[in-house]
Amino acid sequence: AQSVAQPEDQVNVAEGNPLTVKCTYSVSGNPYLFWYVQYPNRGLQFLLKYITGDNLVKGSYGFEAEFNKSQTSFHLKKPSALVSDSALYFCAVRLPGLPYSSASKIIFGSGTRLSIRP
Amino acid sequence: NAGVTQTPKFRVLKTGQSMTLLCAQDMNHEYMYWYRQDPGMGLRLIHYSVGEGTTAKGEVPDGYNVSRLKKQNFLLGLESAAPSQTSVYFCASSSWTGRATNEKLFFGSGTQLSVL
Repeated sequence: AQSVAQPEDQVNVAEGNPLTVKCTYSVSGNPYLFWYVQYPNRGLQFLLKYITGDNLVKGSYGFEAEFNKSQTSFHLKKPSALVSDSALYFCAVRLPGLPYSSASKIIFGSGTRLSIRP
Repeated sequence: NAGVTQTPKFRVLKTGQSMTLLCAQDMNHEYMYWYRQDPGMGLRLIHYSVGEGTTAKGEVPDGYNVSRLKKQNFLLGLESAAPSQTSVYFCASSSWTGRATNEKLFFGSGTQLSVL
C-alpha cells in the first residue's frame, strides 16, 4: 500500500539550534511531496513542495526540505529554530495520476509535533 | 479573502443522528477533499472530488457520504452518527490544474464534531 511515514511523534529542539523533521514515503512512480504546518486551533498551511529538479527546496518561514530518491525520504529542515516554529508538521504526497483522474489523491503522514524551547 | 470556509465550527450529536458539513471555496478549484484528524493518526482522507458532479472514496469512507453539485461546494454527510466519528474534520481545495507548479492545498479552519 502507498503510504507516508513520519517516524517521530515529537521533536524537541533548543532555540537557535538546527532542526530536522523526518518523512519517508512508499509510493510508486514520481510523486509530488509536500510539507504543511498546523498551528493550534487552525487549519493546515502550505510550507513547501518538491515536484522535480533540485533536491533541496526552500519554503516559507526559513524552512527547507531535502528530497532523497534512493532513501525515499523528504526531511524538513531549518538551520536555526525559533520558539514560534513550535507546531504540528505534516508530510504529504500526491499520488501519481493524471489530472482530474480518480487515481490522484493526496495522503498525509501522522504528523510530528515540534517543540522549540527558549 | 474567504478561501475555504467550513460550517459549522462545532457540533455535538447523539448516536444515530444525522448532519451535513458544508465546505465552500471561492477560488474556482476543481479538486476538493474531506479529511478527518485524530490524535496519532494524522489526517486521513475520507472522500474527494476532482470536479463538479464527481466524488471518489478515500482511505476511510465508511459511514460518510458526499456530494459536489456545485463546483464551489463540497458537502460531507453523516447519515447515522457513531462515537467513532468523533473527530476534527477538515475540508481542503487544491489549486492543481495539471501544472505541478500550481499544486497547493488550501484548508478550512476545521469542524470539531463530538458524537455522544
